Amino acid sequence: KAGVTQTPRYLIKTRGQQVTLSCSPISGHRSVSWYQQTPGQGLQFLFEYFSETQRNKGNFPGRFSGRQFSNSRSEMNVSTLELGDSALYLCASRFSGANVLTFGAGSRLTVL
Amino acid sequence: DQQVKQNSPSLSVQEGRISILNCDYTNSMFDYFLWYKKYPAEGPTFLISISSIKDKNEDGRFTVFLNKSAKHLSLHIVPSQPGDSAVYFCAASAPNAGNMLTFGGGTRLMVKP
Repeated sequence: KAGVTQTPRYLIKTRGQQVTLSCSPISGHRSVSWYQQTPGQGLQFLFEYFSETQRNKGNFPGRFSGRQFSNSRSEMNVSTLELGDSALYLCASRFSGANVLTFGAGSRLTVL
Repeated sequence: DQQVKQNSPSLSVQEGRISILNCDYTNSMFDYFLWYKKYPAEGPTFLISISSIKDKNEDGRFTVFLNKSAKHLSLHIVPSQPGDSAVYFCAASAPNAGNMLTFGGGTRLMVKP
């Protein structure tokens, strides 16, 4: 069974640009969430999607957005990139009714 | 305000001995707790969890203890193996929070052969 797949794994952007990250959850998992990991703030919850609807949102500015498609794949977008957006962005999926999140390997974003 | 804290950034243990990783939380609404392990360049991997209705959960070499009155949980690894060397995160969730986990800052465990 394939795990959570995130693309791209690494990318470099410059300030002011935007970026889109993609996540394919485990087959059958309809709940997808995104986390940001930085050395200073640790792992922080960004948002959660279920059946194409955002169910929860963390404390991040509106530059951070996401969406989920009918096949449960998800994308997150960060607009007007800032240096502080450099981080590892992790996607996780969960089977409905389960308590455990399964994480992907992450997309490492560097903003120059 | 950090609701979940891991006060030890690192821990070094000899192979075969016990590793004890600690985690404190402040939010009394948390009712489910998880431990994840993370290797470099990989995503966190689920290790073990515990519900607030229990005070202990065991899975092979891994045991998690929960002390609700102290708002404290700990992960015991016995015996520790070099392959256990990784960063360990504790996480907590509240009722109806969905996928919203609150993570601690992590503890880097080094198991020396």
